[in-house]
Amino acid sequence: ETGVTQTPRHLVMGMTNKKSLKCEQHLGHNAMYWYKQSAKKPLELMFVYSLEERVENNSVPSRFSPECPNSSHLFLHLHTLQPEDSALYLCASSQAPRGGSSYNSPLHFGNGTRLTVT
Amino acid sequence: DQQVKQNSPSLSVQEGRISILNCDYTNSMFDYFLWYKKYPAEGPTFLISISSIKDKNEDGRFTVFLNKSAKHLSLHIVPSQPGDSAVYFCAASGDDKIIFGKGTRLHILP
Repeated sequence: ETGVTQTPRHLVMGMTNKKSLKCEQHLGHNAMYWYKQSAKKPLELMFVYSLEERVENNSVPSRFSPECPNSSHLFLHLHTLQPEDSALYLCASSQAPRGGSSYNSPLHFGNGTRLTVT
Repeated sequence: DQQVKQNSPSLSVQEGRISILNCDYTNSMFDYFLWYKKYPAEGPTFLISISSIKDKNEDGRFTVFLNKSAKHLSLHIVPSQPGDSAVYFCAASGDDKIIFGKGTRLHILP
């Protein structure tokens, strides 16, 4: 399998549930990202793992918890979400140049997980 | 405050004609710009990029123009084809961040 794969494609969860989104990249990249896409809003960067260092967006609520066990896998652990967290969650990877910004490399996105919180 | 704006939510263009998608940014620290294309039920795919040291970059039917003084970039697709119907996002990076626009939905008419 090639590219960036995300599972599950669709997820419906209640506000008291705990679930995890999974992302795997087969491109040999050294940076991975979680993005959120809500209706009529720009893509919002949630978390970045670059060269195994986590860069956090301080505006992300603590009910979202990322985990990056190695350079190929990325998880987003979800607990006690709110209905307004319903969105498309996209994982991406890139090859960050050594000493350079990871943001200057094109992102390769997965097809996303469509999350609905009831 | 949106730092990257795509002011046209949608655009319709006749097949074979030129499609021009526009993007404006406000942060003068942005120095690298990218365009992505997104089909329904798929993630965005990278199309073309440009560094701030250039004012034009071309790749086949796709050309990106950058006007730094106006903080404006545009994506030209010529000739437009039915498979170009999609949502196009511009993104700007620099100042240790990357910001996406809201996207423009392009419809190619037969």
